[in-house]
Amino acid sequence: DGGITQSPKYLFRKEGQNVTLSCEQNLNHDAMYWYRQDPGQGLRLIYYSQIVNDFQKGDIAEGYSVSREKKESFPLTVTSAQKNPTAFYLCASSFGNQPQHFGDGTRLSIL
Amino acid sequence: QKEVEQNSGPLSVPEGAIASLNCTYSDRGSQSFFWYRQYSGKSPELIMFIYSNGDKEDGRFTAQLNKASQYVSLLIRDSQPSDSATYLCAGYNNNDMRFGAGTRLTVKP
Repeated sequence: DGGITQSPKYLFRKEGQNVTLSCEQNLNHDAMYWYRQDPGQGLRLIYYSQIVNDFQKGDIAEGYSVSREKKESFPLTVTSAQKNPTAFYLCASSFGNQPQHFGDGTRLSIL
Repeated sequence: QKEVEQNSGPLSVPEGAIASLNCTYSDRGSQSFFWYRQYSGKSPELIMFIYSNGDKEDGRFTAQLNKASQYVSLLIRDSQPSDSATYLCAGYNNNDMRFGAGTRLTVKP
């Protein structure tokens, strides 16, 4: 089945640690996105990528990094510089102005 | 600042009633609009999308767009308890998708 796969579903980060969230899609979509959602809040854009080897900062990119080496993959690294990383992280992909499709999300917590 | 605003809710309607969810946007360049449903703890799922002024119907759902007033709405007819969720409105302009904070809907049996 075509879709977006995020892993892991739950992730715990220790103080000073970098962690990487995986996002893979087999929809052949050009664009991929990372959002953060805090309880009771909407989605805030962290990074997006329109093509391989290119990506743009969103509204809250500080403390995060991404790469887009393959069309299918858009991993997000939450660095130790992100002081409040506890949130629900959502990856999405789309083609042009078509609707975005979301993965099941990763819940990140601090140990 | 490009904003998408939704009525804060929570909105509560009895089973079988019409639920009306509203959204306004500030970016006049927005080309397309989307309604997503998000159950607690889950990721958003697409309900409707609309690109042109007017109404678009799909089963019990009707999306309405008025670009002059910068207003988008979602009507849910014959509301069911399974419709209880948070509904997110989003507007898209040139690679920039903006989401509202969402409106929580509760349908009471």
